[in-house]
Amino acid sequence: QQQVKQSPQSLIVQKGGISIINCAYENTAFDYFPWYQQFPGKGPALLIAIRPDVSEKKEGRFTISFNKSAKQFSLHIMDSQPGDSATYFCAASIDSGAGSYQLTFGKGTKLSVIP
Amino acid sequence: EPEVTQTPSHQVTQMGQEVILRCVPISNHLYFYWYRQILGQKVEFLVSFYNNEISEKSEIFDDQFSVERPDGSNFTLKIRSTKLEDSAMYFCASSEASGMVEDEQFFGPGTRLTVL
Repeated sequence: QQQVKQSPQSLIVQKGGISIINCAYENTAFDYFPWYQQFPGKGPALLIAIRPDVSEKKEGRFTISFNKSAKQFSLHIMDSQPGDSATYFCAASIDSGAGSYQLTFGKGTKLSVIP
Repeated sequence: EPEVTQTPSHQVTQMGQEVILRCVPISNHLYFYWYRQILGQKVEFLVSFYNNEISEKSEIFDDQFSVERPDGSNFTLKIRSTKLEDSAMYFCASSEASGMVEDEQFFGPGTRLTVL
């Protein structure tokens, strides 16, 4: 119920290509969906996030597409660059108004962008 | 740019020993978190902390775990009697005082705990 399922586990994309990572959730109480990027030796860092009242959010080369009825969301990286090579985590949280918000993470996708 | 720091970067301990993992959150942040990531698995929430008390905890966070903010800067996670299955990367995170779900949780680089 609390899980967020992420695929693929690893992804290899040519420089300039589009990277697509997919996530699905079951708990309809989730109402905040961030994506985190993690480089080796570093902690995860927030990349982009979306609320379920919009179907798409774009920030530079990064776009989240959100399908509320299917309970799925995805990250698209346009014009992928070698510097995008990292592990990407989707996550979900519930806006309970409590002030602290636990993130439920997917298992992560290791993206390698090759020249 | 302010960042969350964690010490040590790697801790090796014997099963049954107590360990304390240390974190220095970003200075104006008031919400603090611990997460862990067992090798090859997803990042899992352990506990959140605000105003000197636990806000939420997961079922992983049993009586063997405790958290403390012993002074104005440090935030610690103590594992009283470590088990082999406690071997993981432990991440500390902090977020601002506005208390909104959109507040970014800033993660530290992690402490790799190895229990032998």
